[in-house]
Amino acid sequence: QSALTQPASVSGSPGQSITISCTGTSSDVGGYNYVSWYQQHPGKAPKLIIYDVSNRPSGISNRFSGSKSGNTASLTISGLQAEDETDYYCSSYTGSSTLYVFGTGTKVTVL
Amino acid sequence: QVQLQESGPGLVKPSQTLSLTCTVSGGSISSGRYYWSWIRQPAGKGLEWIGRIYTSGSTNYNPSLKSRVTISVDTSKNQFSLKLTSVTAADTAVYYCARTAGTVPGAIWGQGTLVTVSS
Repeated sequence: QSALTQPASVSGSPGQSITISCTGTSSDVGGYNYVSWYQQHPGKAPKLIIYDVSNRPSGISNRFSGSKSGNTASLTISGLQAEDETDYYCSSYTGSSTLYVFGTGTKVTVL
Repeated sequence: QVQLQESGPGLVKPSQTLSLTCTVSGGSISSGRYYWSWIRQPAGKGLEWIGRIYTSGSTNYNPSLKSRVTISVDTSKNQFSLKLTSVTAADTAVYYCARTAGTVPGAIWGQGTLVTVSS
């Protein structure tokens, strides 16, 4: 099971919206509505921000939203803030013996 | 509020066995329909799911590591553990334990612990 493909970097100005893509196959992203997204600040553990494609855990800002089309999932950050500058990873349930596969990671830069 | 904390040696020699324990606090490891996972991250790289265990003892492992991995649980201590045998430098990484909610590998994470494989 290969890692999901994310752009290495995405940037935007404060207040703008950005979108991070996460591309897999019909065996993972395309086959299930079980994509999750994580935010990871340097030296810290990942933090769940989206699960099951578009659901936000309690306490997560509604500036974060998720969607999926075919084999590609997307994370949108609206009203970009300086604190959003960090790394983001997607993940998908696969249903195979490799139950979970992660994305390659995207570094978000706030200009 | 459930919290997880990894513990174990930070340095392991090549060919030896890496052993880590995750202690769960703020709730019983047996409550709820949760699995408990180990996930690792080499420096500057992405995340890799290692495996998970249910409190019944049922396990699932990443096929790429399956021959070297054992995950066990001790419900009396509210802990679960990871053993990775025959380690090489490629196993050097930050190791995280996490509460897994079905289709979500990392609903809650420990802070992570760096394990370096070196002689």
